[in-house]
Amino acid sequence: EVVLVESGGGLVQPGGSLRLSCEASGFKFEDYAMHWVRQVPGKGLEWVAGISWHSRDEGYADSVTGRFTISRDNAVNSLFLQMNSLTTEDTALYYCARDTRDYYDSSGPFDYWGQGTLVTVSS
Amino acid sequence: DIQMTQSPAYLSASVGDSITITCRASQSVSIFLNWYQQKPGKAPKLLIYEASSLFTGVPSRFNGSGSGTEFTLTITRLQPEDFATYYCQQSYDIWTFGQGTRVEI
Repeated sequence: EVVLVESGGGLVQPGGSLRLSCEASGFKFEDYAMHWVRQVPGKGLEWVAGISWHSRDEGYADSVTGRFTISRDNAVNSLFLQMNSLTTEDTALYYCARDTRDYYDSSGPFDYWGQGTLVTVSS
Repeated sequence: DIQMTQSPAYLSASVGDSITITCRASQSVSIFLNWYQQKPGKAPKLLIYEASSLFTGVPSRFNGSGSGTEFTLTITRLQPEDFATYYCQQSYDIWTFGQGTRVEI
């Protein structure tokens, strides 16, 4: 069974930093591209960042470029999102999601999602 | 960025009904259009990928069609568990989602 478990969310002040983690199990993690998607409670979904299986290709939404960094460690089946210079507009539930393909920019849909970790940016 | 527009935003239906949700892209996305179902407090679940392919385990009452800029998700014989919010997503150029269609009883 594919399982994705996010952690690391919490309350942070504007301008602060947070690092999210996503632990994967039930599949061969190194074979898949991975993504972060966020959702403001009660609102729609926004793709945040994606990374290829080998970590050499990654991409970001314009809204987070230069502030967020996606990474992965295939040895421990984990995906990460380093978030810096946070603003109130980054407040959302952050989901980790598996791509159906190995390269993040190969037009794959997201076939499995974690339950999300809540990030609240507030003073 | 490619903009995705879903209609309607809300839809009221009854068990046993058939419903159709439309998703329009601001430019062609070929067949790279996916549909997700989300229930309150839960993560989205993939229903349909590449416009018309049913994801593993999804009941056959869900049907997707379209190409280019116009797509539809049809659910026949609505079941109680189908009342949820549905999102389209283009995966042709990065990924963008529609604003969602809430299907209510």
